Amino acid sequence: QKEVEQDPGPLSVPEGAIVSLNCTYSNSAFQYFMWYRQYSRKGPELLMYTYSSGNKEDGRFTAQVDKSSKYISLFIRDSQPSDSATYLCAMSANYGGSQGNLIFGKGTKLSVKP
Amino acid sequence: NAGVMQNPRHLVRRRGQEARLRCSPVKGHSHVYWYRQLPEEGLKFMVYLQKENIIDESGMPKERFSAEFPKEGPSILRIQQVVRGDSAAYFCASSGQNEKLFFGSGTQLSVL
Repeated sequence: QKEVEQDPGPLSVPEGAIVSLNCTYSNSAFQYFMWYRQYSRKGPELLMYTYSSGNKEDGRFTAQVDKSSKYISLFIRDSQPSDSATYLCAMSANYGGSQGNLIFGKGTKLSVKP
Repeated sequence: NAGVMQNPRHLVRRRGQEARLRCSPVKGHSHVYWYRQLPEEGLKFMVYLQKENIIDESGMPKERFSAEFPKEGPSILRIQQVVRGDSAAYFCASSGQNEKLFFGSGTQLSVL
């Protein structure tokens, strides 16, 4: 079993739709959970960061963590064509200088059609 | 306020040659990380460095790969005697202490 599982998609939705992206993981030591957005031929850009379980909202984006189920989600409301990108979940057991050893999912490719 | 700068953006090498990838972190950042992204695979951690020190190299292949972050100048990821399987996108990230990672745009290495 891989440490982090993420459906690679591709996922295609119409503009304005609510998008749900998910990852599951197996390592119960993970406490820090992140979502990155990666446009083609660019580096990953941090979208959301969550510690432990719970929800976090930032504009059209909501991140949810359910540690009991080892399941994390990213919701995008009112999706826009500019949201078309690959979304990567990442997680780690530590934060701080050594937190750079992140475990990434393979990424889900999202396309939002006008 | 420049972000993480990586060069070259694209690097083509023949089998057996050496590849040198450079990374200049965000100004003021003292933590540098290298990741590799193989086709159809997620980002994989390779190495974590602070100035003049390798802190965690648990993701580095045992042979042919090395990394440094000297007191002056960029961090370098060096791959000796490249093979086709080394073809990938190599990303550098930097952070301050206890801060989030900023990624560069990557170097796409192609081995012919």
